[in-house]
Amino acid sequence: DIQMTQSPSSLSASVGDRVTITCRASQGIRNDLGWYQQKPGKAPKRLIYAASSLQSGVPSRFSGSGSGTEFTLTISSLQPEDFATYYCLQHNSYPFTFGPGTKVDIK
Amino acid sequence: QITLKESGPTLVKPTQTLTLTCTFSGFSLSTSGVGVGWIRQPPGKALEWLALIYWDDDKRYSPSLKSRLTITKDTSKNQVVLTMTNMDPVDTATYYCAHGAIVATMGDYFDYWGQGTLVTVSS
Repeated sequence: DIQMTQSPSSLSASVGDRVTITCRASQGIRNDLGWYQQKPGKAPKRLIYAASSLQSGVPSRFSGSGSGTEFTLTISSLQPEDFATYYCLQHNSYPFTFGPGTKVDIK
Repeated sequence: QITLKESGPTLVKPTQTLTLTCTFSGFSLSTSGVGVGWIRQPPGKALEWLALIYWDDDKRYSPSLKSRLTITKDTSKNQVVLTMTNMDPVDTATYYCAHGAIVATMGDYFDYWGQGTLVTVSS
């Protein structure tokens, strides 16, 4: 199985901050990675697919990069509605695996 | 517009079999490249991928749960059914179904999700 790790596991930030979350795969997954945002009691919402493609309707302050084993999600200027938990998902090989999540809360 | 909705029991007893139905619209599971997956999330914990079924009836399962899971589709009803046998309290979770596609141009994996259904396992 491909293991996905995320760092940090949590972070506190202020509105307007630039935030970067890292996801690492235990082996190469090309660009077969998505990023999801989840708010309490809600289904995950995909932000990024194919590692760096912005999902339609998602604000441009979200961006993704990386390939192989290391990936990043960047929020260029954190907004109040961005406080949530973020997950990465690899779908390069079965079983698909999610990262453990990164909780972003208000400083 | 793609929508998915999960349905099934909210409470099951230990050792019972859980049957969940995902009813979807806005796409067809007979279209080449399309799939529907199931993902669960125990309260306060991370997401876990469970199973996936494709347009050609190819089925994939999480190895840790494979012996307990069965995924099927009814293309005419636009439904995917997941059964999980021998339920245990540790299986208490919100269960989601999601649309997937094998290529990014068709949406890639898990672009649309249902709202989820909380299943509690307790006697």
